[in-house]
Amino acid sequence: QVQLQESGPGLVKASETLSLTCSVSGGSVTTYYWSWLRQSPGKGLEWIGHVHNSGSRSYNPSLKSRVTISLDTSENQFSLKLTSVTAADTAMYYCARISGLRVPPGEYWGQGTLVTVSS
Amino acid sequence: QSVLTQPPSASETPGQRVTITCSGSSSNIGNNYIYWYKLVPGTAPKLLIYKNNQRPSGVPDRFSGSKSGTSASLAISGLRSEDEADYYCAAWDDSLSGPVFGGGTKLTVL
Repeated sequence: QVQLQESGPGLVKASETLSLTCSVSGGSVTTYYWSWLRQSPGKGLEWIGHVHNSGSRSYNPSLKSRVTISLDTSENQFSLKLTSVTAADTAMYYCARISGLRVPPGEYWGQGTLVTVSS
Repeated sequence: QSVLTQPPSASETPGQRVTITCSGSSSNIGNNYIYWYKLVPGTAPKLLIYKNNQRPSGVPDRFSGSKSGTSASLAISGLRSEDEADYYCAAWDDSLSGPVFGGGTKLTVL
């Protein structure tokens, strides 16, 4: 059974960089697409971006200038870096697997990690 | 403002049937598959429906999905108290080149 687990600081200061890692077990990150999403308080889910072992990356245009998603096949994990954070980046962050082309994430998600941006 | 539009809330009594709608456009629902998820705080989002009307293994047949044009719906029959949660629709968006989501529907089982 594929399992994903997010980890990283729960509190980040404004203007600094948010860094999260998603550890994958029960499957390899060398196949499929691996994505980050978030849900701000009181709002819906938002796709941040995804990465494939082929080197393909895709980011939400609204965040593209601040986002980097990377894959670490040796550790079987992938990461998110979001620079210059503000209070608007306070959210529950999820990692998830996308199992095909042009489809949303499927059945494999992490349980999420809450990140609060402080001033 | 979410790209896909869902009613913010829905409610029904145990044993009854409820339908949650999701509307979009030709760049997302109209041209791509719709997915549905159940979100409960503190747990991983659960996939209920994929590719418009397919249920993953383990999802009971009380849950069903349909799509017509640029709209879709999730139906839950035989409502149970454990169905009380937030439900989200999603679809790939050709303009964004990524998935888009609805704003979520909070289901209350009265």
